[in-house]
Amino acid sequence: NAGVMQNPRHLVRRRGQEARLRCSPMKGHSHVYWYRQLPEEGLKFMVYLQKENIIDESGMPKERFSAEFPKEGPSILRIQQVVRGDSAAYFCASSPPGTGSTGELFFGEGSRLTVL
Amino acid sequence: SQKIEQNSEALNIQEGKTATLTCNYTNYSPAYLQWYRQDPGRGPVFLLLIRENEKEKRKERLKVTFDTTLKQSLFHITASQPADSATYLCALEHGSSNTGKLIFGQGTTLQVKP
Repeated sequence: NAGVMQNPRHLVRRRGQEARLRCSPMKGHSHVYWYRQLPEEGLKFMVYLQKENIIDESGMPKERFSAEFPKEGPSILRIQQVVRGDSAAYFCASSPPGTGSTGELFFGEGSRLTVL
Repeated sequence: SQKIEQNSEALNIQEGKTATLTCNYTNYSPAYLQWYRQDPGRGPVFLLLIRENEKEKRKERLKVTFDTTLKQSLFHITASQPADSATYLCALEHGSSNTGKLIFGQGTTLQVKP
């Protein structure tokens, strides 16, 4: 059973370009979360999605960032007009439907964005 | 303000000893607290979850305690091995909504020397 798959693992962009990060959750999981880890900082929640729905985007910057989890295909985190401060590791996590009282998240290996 | 704090200094111990890591939080009311392990360049891996009504949880050489009065969790690794060297993260969810919106500490790096 494959784990959470993220790609690309490493992405280099110049300031002003767009970055697209993809995440395929574990098989059978319908909840997807994106977290960001800045250098020397802890993981910070960005957004929680279910299929075709954004449930909680309270951690997303108001501008340039968007996320989707379509009916078919992976979840996408999109960063428009990247700036150097966007350089970070972006982690996707998933959990099964009806996680209930478990709360455990399964993380991917992350996508490391470097903005030149 | 709300905070979740782990000792930012690295913890260096000798192989075979018990490692104890601390997680303190303020102004949160978590229904449970989780511990994850993260290796360099990798994603976090879930280790243990302890609920607010549990005092202690064990899994093989790992033990977690949770004191809601002190607002503190302790994470112990007994008979530590060099392979236990990693960064350990504590995480909680405010309240009991089970949304997966975890708040993470910055992590404590453990180095076990042979």
